[in-house]
Amino acid sequence: AQKVTQAQTEISVVEKEDVTLDCVYETRDTTYYLFWYKQPPSGELVFLIRRNSFDEQNEISGRYSWNFQKSTSSFNFTITASQVVDSAVYFCALLFRLVFGAGTILRVKS
Amino acid sequence: DAGVTQSPTHLIKTRGQQVTLRCSPKSGHDTVSWYQQALGQGPQFIFQYYEEEERQRGNFPDRFSGHQFPNYSSELNVNALLLGDSALYLCASSHGLRVETQYFGPGTRLLVL
Repeated sequence: AQKVTQAQTEISVVEKEDVTLDCVYETRDTTYYLFWYKQPPSGELVFLIRRNSFDEQNEISGRYSWNFQKSTSSFNFTITASQVVDSAVYFCALLFRLVFGAGTILRVKS
Repeated sequence: DAGVTQSPTHLIKTRGQQVTLRCSPKSGHDTVSWYQQALGQGPQFIFQYYEEEERQRGNFPDRFSGHQFPNYSSELNVNALLLGDSALYLCASSHGLRVETQYFGPGTRLLVL
């Protein structure tokens, strides 16, 4: 069975703080994809990153960075110097049918 | 290049009624997947259509059915609506069955009273 756990239901930070969103997954597949999506209040899921199971390189994109560790089945997402516009619900997801975690609400206060 | 579009954006129905939601995939995509997102939860996979056939199905009752048309657009039908069907319904499109390249639409918010 596939499962994604986002243990943090809600996180509040003050603008410019760094914040890490945790994601732990379970799968028996040897080949799989992991995703992070952002969902603003409008509802549309915005794709942030995709990682396949063979690529454990960490990735940085501007203020966003991702840490993928197969040994701990984790795919954590860090926002550096958070901004109010980062406030949203963030979902970690696992392929094949995009099994989503429950999401983490991030509130960034100015 | 139009992305994934869904209609209507919002819908209010009463228990027992039937509803049809529509999705047009992103240009170049031929696979459509539907997800249900209840308030405060992550999206749940309903089913996936490719070549006008249902290819995969999640844990949803037969009240949920779908269709894909030759132009790759898709409909989601829900019969005998229950209060618990109130949710945001998301459509995602991809090329082939390669869901790793899925793009999501803005969703349809369904409220069942």
